[in-house]
Amino acid sequence: EAQVTQNPRYLITVTGKKLTVTCSQNMNHEYMSWYRQDPGLGLRQIYYSMNVEVTDKGDVPEGYKVSRKEKRNFPLILESPSPNQTSLYFCASSYRLNQPQHFGDGTRLSIL
Amino acid sequence: AQTVTQSQPEMSVQEAETVTLSCTYDTSESDYYLFWYKQPPSRQMILVIRQEAYKQQNATENRFSVNFQKAAKSFSLKISDSQLGDAAMYFCAYSKYSGAGSYQLTFGKGTKLSVIP
Repeated sequence: EAQVTQNPRYLITVTGKKLTVTCSQNMNHEYMSWYRQDPGLGLRQIYYSMNVEVTDKGDVPEGYKVSRKEKRNFPLILESPSPNQTSLYFCASSYRLNQPQHFGDGTRLSIL
Repeated sequence: AQTVTQSQPEMSVQEAETVTLSCTYDTSESDYYLFWYKQPPSRQMILVIRQEAYKQQNATENRFSVNFQKAAKSFSLKISDSQLGDAAMYFCAYSKYSGAGSYQLTFGKGTKLSVIP
């Protein structure tokens, strides 16, 4: 089954404690991206990757890191999380940007 | 920078009736793609419909259709014969790819649609 898998689905943690949200897709997609969703703001892109070892900033990259060492994986790293990063996060992938995005089920992060 | 505007934060429709969600966008490009995504309470993001800007014909997908007005930069979604399962947040999105490696993918802030039995 074609899917984008994010883990964890829920996480409550404290300020400053490094965390990683994993994202994996099994569709051999070249394009992957991370979004955060906040009430009243819609989805905003954090980082994207056009292919292995090719990443670039989206609209709200501050406080986040990503890596793309393998085509299927695109982890989101919060080196020193802060409460303003409390949000719902989505990973997505597609073969090309003009193709529909396949989304993961979302990760609810709460930073206390 | 491209912007996508959904001017209706919330809308409601009677079951079996028709509703139209509005979306406008700002771009100087001629070749781009537009999408409507649905997010039910389960939080999943589901593609509803896709439109290529170079196609004049409006996209349709069963009960869902769009009214694409390129000159007006408008991309509204019409839902016919509304069903309870249509209740969700709907996001309009604009996408443009550049072979030089830059790109743009922008979402609107969403419209919450309620369906009244």
